[in-house]
Amino acid sequence: AQSVTQPDIHITVSEGASLELRCNYSYGATPYLFWYVQSPGQGLQLLLKYFSGDTLVQGIKGFEAEFKRSQSSFNLRKPSVHWSDAAEYFCAVGSLKAGGSYIPTFGRGTSLIVHP
Amino acid sequence: DAGVIQSPRHEVTEMGQEVTLRCKPISGHNSLFWYRQTMMRGLELLIYFNNNVPIDDSGMPEDRFSAKMPNASFSTLKIQPSEPRDSAVYFCASSFQGGSPLHFGNGTRLTVT
Repeated sequence: AQSVTQPDIHITVSEGASLELRCNYSYGATPYLFWYVQSPGQGLQLLLKYFSGDTLVQGIKGFEAEFKRSQSSFNLRKPSVHWSDAAEYFCAVGSLKAGGSYIPTFGRGTSLIVHP
Repeated sequence: DAGVIQSPRHEVTEMGQEVTLRCKPISGHNSLFWYRQTMMRGLELLIYFNNNVPIDDSGMPEDRFSAKMPNASFSTLKIQPSEPRDSAVYFCASSFQGGSPLHFGNGTRLTVT
């Protein structure tokens, strides 16, 4: 069965510093990978996705992620963090389910704290 | 586009009462998902529909939970009777079938006392 591990429960960075959030997945086939962000009291918003092709994926809000098959990883990065980036970040792997849909299985999330 | 709309935003009820959560997916999306989020278990998929038909309800915790999608623009998740352990944030999401990313509503925070 597919699974996603986000090893860091909390990450604290200073505003303007670079950021990397880790994500490792377990999936038997070529994965569909996603990063979502959740602000307090809100639903999840898609940051970026990887289906195929270029392993470096650009997303919204200046985020990017790199798919590394050899490491089963899909880490999220941002070169300079803004205070508004403080939120919960979820990595997800899409697995093929009955009916032909790829349903994401989510990691437990990483809470990003940004210091001024 | 108004996005996925869920109601109510907050629900407080007493144990044993029936609870109904509502969801309006994005127009044109043909897949709908119900997730539950708790501190202990994270985000769990409860059930999903394709073209209004339930495809996989293996995540529904027990028979007290039921979900319906009578048409393409409306779905309900019902808990009867509710229990304190059902307290969680329930999210509805929609997408185009076939792997497109999910669009989430803002959730319903359910508290069962």
